[in-house]
Amino acid sequence: QKEVEQDPGPLSVPEGAIVSLNCTYSNSAFQYFMWYRQYSRKGPELLMYTYSSGNKEDGRFTAQVDKSSKYISLFIRDSQPSDSATYLCAGSGYSSASKIIFGSGTRLSIRP
Amino acid sequence: EAGVVQSPRYKIIEKKQPVAFWCNPISGHNTLYWYLQNLGQGPELLIRYENEEAVDDSQLPKDRFSAERLKGVDSTLKIQPAELGDSAVYLCASSLEGANTEAFFGQGTRLTVV
Repeated sequence: QKEVEQDPGPLSVPEGAIVSLNCTYSNSAFQYFMWYRQYSRKGPELLMYTYSSGNKEDGRFTAQVDKSSKYISLFIRDSQPSDSATYLCAGSGYSSASKIIFGSGTRLSIRP
Repeated sequence: EAGVVQSPRYKIIEKKQPVAFWCNPISGHNTLYWYLQNLGQGPELLIRYENEEAVDDSQLPKDRFSAERLKGVDSTLKIQPAELGDSAVYLCASSLEGANTEAFFGQGTRLTVV
């Protein structure tokens, strides 16, 4: 079993829709949770990270972590065609030396 | 501010040949990472440097892979000899010391071994 699991998609939604991307994880030591966006043939780009359980909002993006169920979510409001990319979730322990474990990514396509 | 710079962007080599990738991290970032990303998968850590010291190389296949970070800035990742299964994207990332949650990635080197 992988430490971080994601549905690979592809997920296709119309422009303007609310998108929900989800991950589950198995490592109870994870304290930090990250979302990266990766365009085709580009490196991953950090969108946001959260510490422990709770919500964090940044513009149209909201990250949500529920440690009791080991569930990570990213919501995108008013989705745009430019949001079409692969979204990677990741988890890491508390220590700065902790390894970041990535999920395999969900491909998202926003239809104009 | 320039981001993480990697070269080359693409490399095609025959199996059993050597290959090297170069990375220039963001200025001031003491921590440098090399990741491997296979198609349809997330990045997997190969090695992490704090300045010039390799502090985590547990996932680096040391029989054929080597890395160095002389002077604690630029880094080189080498494969010798390359195998067909090494075809993947090799990503370099950097962060401030102790800030692994805010790592910045380069565009990667796409390696094809034929």
